[in-house]
Amino acid sequence: DAKTTQPPSMDCAEGRAANLPCNHSTISGNEYVYWYRQIHSQGPQYIIHGLKNNETNEMASLIITEDRKSSTLILPHATLRDTAVYYCIVRGLNTGTASKLTFGTGTRLQVTL
Amino acid sequence: NAGVMQNPRHLVRRRGQEARLRCSPMKGHSHVYWYRQLPEEGLKFMVYLQKENIIDESGMPKERFSAEFPKEGPSILRIQQVVRGDSAAYFCASSPGTDRDTIYFGEGSWLTVV
Repeated sequence: DAKTTQPPSMDCAEGRAANLPCNHSTISGNEYVYWYRQIHSQGPQYIIHGLKNNETNEMASLIITEDRKSSTLILPHATLRDTAVYYCIVRGLNTGTASKLTFGTGTRLQVTL
Repeated sequence: NAGVMQNPRHLVRRRGQEARLRCSPMKGHSHVYWYRQLPEEGLKFMVYLQKENIIDESGMPKERFSAEFPKEGPSILRIQQVVRGDSAAYFCASSPGTDRDTIYFGEGSWLTVV
């Protein structure tokens, strides 16, 4: 799976949008971009995923650049409960052994009052 | 995280004992994954199983660790002769059964070796 690069930490004021970037310059055509988060002492929580089109769900929006070499996760109105480590993961599909998730170090998002 | 059930949530073992961690996947899921998270470290893949088959065990330590996912019942991660370095959070995840499916995680089992 392609490697990803994320900033180690970010701050965001409560109520503002949190924009978390991710670089995945070596992504290949059959690889999806997944985002998970891990709140302290909890299991990773799925947020969203996409291939090449922008995606939105009740939790967040995912913006993928046209060349697919980077993406941004957007939490439109961050709350204190969004404080967590956010992981951007590129996941290769179509082969059984490639379907696992490989976690990097993620971005530690701190939402403040 | 709803649906993937792990137990026990917390387990204390003395050095040399065995630890068994159980994972019941979400209803309808036939793929199970185990991850380990050492204190203050990231999540590391251990093993990926389908019913009665180990698909990828590239992250499993060569000794003392084993995993199974029988036809009936939960998946079991077994650690024999535990050492202090095995103290960690062990997360199980499941997915429905194709490579395109989203993987959902449980809340984890915290193993402490004393």
